[in-house]
Amino acid sequence: NAGVTQTPKFQVLKTGQSMTLQCAQDMNHNSMYWYRQDPGMGLRLIYYSASEGTTDKGEVPNGYNVSRLNKREFSLRLESAAPSQTSVYFCASSASAGRNQPQHFGDGTRLSIL
Amino acid sequence: AQSVTQLGSHVSVSEGALVLLRCNYSSSVPPYLFWYVQYPNQGLQLLLKYTSAATLVKGINGFEAEFKKSETSFHLTKPSAHMSDAAEYFCAVSDRQSSGDKLTFGTGTRLAVRP
Repeated sequence: NAGVTQTPKFQVLKTGQSMTLQCAQDMNHNSMYWYRQDPGMGLRLIYYSASEGTTDKGEVPNGYNVSRLNKREFSLRLESAAPSQTSVYFCASSASAGRNQPQHFGDGTRLSIL
Repeated sequence: AQSVTQLGSHVSVSEGALVLLRCNYSSSVPPYLFWYVQYPNQGLQLLLKYTSAATLVKGINGFEAEFKKSETSFHLTKPSAHMSDAAEYFCAVSDRQSSGDKLTFGTGTRLAVRP
């Protein structure tokens, strides 16, 4: 019963390097989300995809890009990593665009940028 | 835009004591509200959700929350704290957008349980 799977779990990058965070869900959900979590700031939405083929900016999209590869997969890319992007990144999914639909979360990717 | 305020970033209670975690929301339309729990090094798990069917919502692990429209609150309670309840708790409100739905999270309350 995997749910939402994120890879990698940990990563250390140097400033200016690029990398892609992977996310896959096996619940046949339509909507997927990327958040970052920083101490004292809760979760902030980076990008989301309401359905396959669509993506939209969230609260903090600068420095990130996303790809909704198919219904299952939603990746987050850092083109040129900066120390300010050191954070814990969470992917989530929900069944549909209904307002009462809870989101299901992966276990996160802990990213450090030196 | 919707917003959520969680009063108290840290709450400490004794084992067996009442747990009360506060959440207030701002919304111009009837909201959908959620409580999530996060254990160390894990993602968020849904505790309960309010979707207007009943003002008192029961969740997992003995938690419940009451929606009070007059106070714009959705506080989380548990009658008797257990050591395993130590975690961070997030309140969230659903924010309807034309291109889909988003959750807006509060900044979280870390619950410590003393033996």
